[in-house]
Amino acid sequence: AQSVTQPDIHITVSEGASLELRCNYSYGATPYLFWYVQSPGQGLQLLLKYFSGDTLVQGIKGFEAEFKRSQSSFNLRKPSVHWSDAAEYFCAVGANNAGNMLTFGGGTRLMVKP
Amino acid sequence: EPEVTQTPSHQVTQMGQEVILRCVPISNHLYFYWYRQILGQKVEFLVSFYNNEISEKSEIFDDQFSVERPDGSNFTLKIRSTKLEDSAMYFCASRLTPGEQFFGPGTRLTVL
Repeated sequence: AQSVTQPDIHITVSEGASLELRCNYSYGATPYLFWYVQSPGQGLQLLLKYFSGDTLVQGIKGFEAEFKRSQSSFNLRKPSVHWSDAAEYFCAVGANNAGNMLTFGGGTRLMVKP
Repeated sequence: EPEVTQTPSHQVTQMGQEVILRCVPISNHLYFYWYRQILGQKVEFLVSFYNNEISEKSEIFDDQFSVERPDGSNFTLKIRSTKLEDSAMYFCASRLTPGEQFFGPGTRLTVL
């Protein structure tokens, strides 16, 4: 069974500082990996995705993530955080089959200090 | 840009009542999903639907739940007899190609 762990429940960073959100997954084959962002009371917006190929993927809003198969990780990074980045971030793994259900991690709530 | 829409945005119901949550997926998408998120918890998969039948469902998706695509555009989730623990945000999603799912804004269901 697939699973996702986001070890950090809350993270606080200063505006302008760099950010890394951790994600570890468990899946028997090559997974589809995603990062979604959720602002309060809003739906889920896709930041970026990894299916295959280059292990460093670029997303929207200046985010990037790196797939490391040896560590079963897919950490999200941003070099300089903006106040508007404050939100909840979810890592998800997608089954590599026809059904393609997503399994989400518990989320990391990011707070940005001025 | 096409998007997934959901109605209503907020539904309040009494315990034991039936509710129907509605979704309009992106028009050329073929796979449809429902997820839920209990307040403060992670998003959980409920069911996937393809070619007019359920392709996969989770343990949460018991006999109280059903899904339907009654016409070419709508995709509905019915809860027959709501329980307090059904209170959650329900998200619809759709996709065309393998991998990326597009999510709607969600319906907040409150069971009293």
